[in-house]
Amino acid sequence: AQTVTQSQPEMSVQEAETVTLSCTYDTSESNYYLFWYKQPPSRQMILVIRQEAYKQQNATENRFSVNFQKAAKSFSLKISDSQLGDTAMYFCAFMKSQTSGSRLTFGEGTQLTVNP
Amino acid sequence: EPEVTQTPSHQVTQMGQEVILRCVPISNHLYFYWYRQILGQKVEFLVSFYNNEISEKSEIFDDQFSVERPDGSNFTLKIRSTKLEDSAMYFCASSLTGVAYNEQFFGPGTRLTVL
Repeated sequence: AQTVTQSQPEMSVQEAETVTLSCTYDTSESNYYLFWYKQPPSRQMILVIRQEAYKQQNATENRFSVNFQKAAKSFSLKISDSQLGDTAMYFCAFMKSQTSGSRLTFGEGTQLTVNP
Repeated sequence: EPEVTQTPSHQVTQMGQEVILRCVPISNHLYFYWYRQILGQKVEFLVSFYNNEISEKSEIFDDQFSVERPDGSNFTLKIRSTKLEDSAMYFCASSLTGVAYNEQFFGPGTRLTVL
């Protein structure tokens, strides 16, 4: 079974600064995907960024990037130039690479607050 | 932009009653999911559904739970006899296919309160 751990329940950052959210996972799978989802207050979860485990290059999406350390089973999210709209709960998630009905396994979540 | 919708946003029921949570997935998506989040705990997978069959279910998804796609648009989760511990936020999700690189799109959730 897979587990995902986010050890930072809450974090805060000043607007325009950079913040890094941590995530570790445990799996015996060799092929898998990792995701960061964002859940703004009273809104649905939306995908921020995904990383394929077989790719060595870290994924980036505009101001969002990841630091994927496969050997250490670590998958952190870096948010650059933080904006007030980045305030949300952030979930790290794992998915096995399989062909049907892939389930997401989530971490506990990190509540990020961006302060003006 | 297409999105997953869920009704109701909040459901209050008495222990032992049956509840049906409704979801309308994105129209061209083929895989559907239910997750739940008990207050203060992780979001947990319940079940995935494809071609009118369950693809995968978790240990949580016991005989008290069932899913159905009664028509071309709705996807429902039924809890036959609710327990206090079923109180949670229930999220529906859908994806174009079931493979991992296809994003799962989530609905806003239904908060179920069992009294």
